[in-house]
Amino acid sequence: QKEVEQNSGPLSVPEGAIASLNCTYSDRGSQSFFWYRQYSGKSPELIMSIYSNGDKEDGRFTAQLNKASQYVSLLIRDSQPSDSATYLCAVKKIQGAQKLVFGQGTRLTINP
Amino acid sequence: GAVVSQHPSRVICKSGTSVKIECRSLDFQATTMFWYRQFPKQSLMLMATSNEGSKATYEQGVEKDKFLINHASLTLSTLTVTSAHPEDSSFYICSARTMGGRFATNEKLFFGSGTQLSVL
Repeated sequence: QKEVEQNSGPLSVPEGAIASLNCTYSDRGSQSFFWYRQYSGKSPELIMSIYSNGDKEDGRFTAQLNKASQYVSLLIRDSQPSDSATYLCAVKKIQGAQKLVFGQGTRLTINP
Repeated sequence: GAVVSQHPSRVICKSGTSVKIECRSLDFQATTMFWYRQFPKQSLMLMATSNEGSKATYEQGVEKDKFLINHASLTLSTLTVTSAHPEDSSFYICSARTMGGRFATNEKLFFGSGTQLSVL
């Protein structure tokens, strides 16, 4: 079992719709969770971070965390073609550990 | 947000040569930097953790004699791929976290722009 799992996609969503990206993790002791966006040939860009159960909203983005079920999701409302990218879920296993473990990423395509 | 500069952005070299990649934190001091490698359509794989003034910590399976890391100052870490071979061709990305003593829950990593290495 991979430490951080994502559906590699591709996920196609029409422009203006809600894109839903999911991620599960194996270490129940994980404390911090991040979503990064990566355009082809570029380095990752932090979109959202979440540390406690529930929802966290930032503009068109909402991160959702459920530690009991060990999943974290990212919702993108009013999807735009510019949102087309690979979205990487990253998990910091325990507080004090320095390493982020990344999922394999979900490739999202927003269709005009 | 904080800025991490990585250079060069792209390098093409012959097999057997060595390549040095620089990672600089421009507006903050980074006691710790991380080096990742990413193959096409795959995720980021941590290679090593670079600590200022001490030896790097390598992940399992990463050859420390092949991937030399030097973190000589609080703003600069370098990765040297020695005797590069075609299988070393990959996208190399550095990241840095700010200095702050105890690792805080809300610390975030800032990534460099990446280096695409192609070994012929």
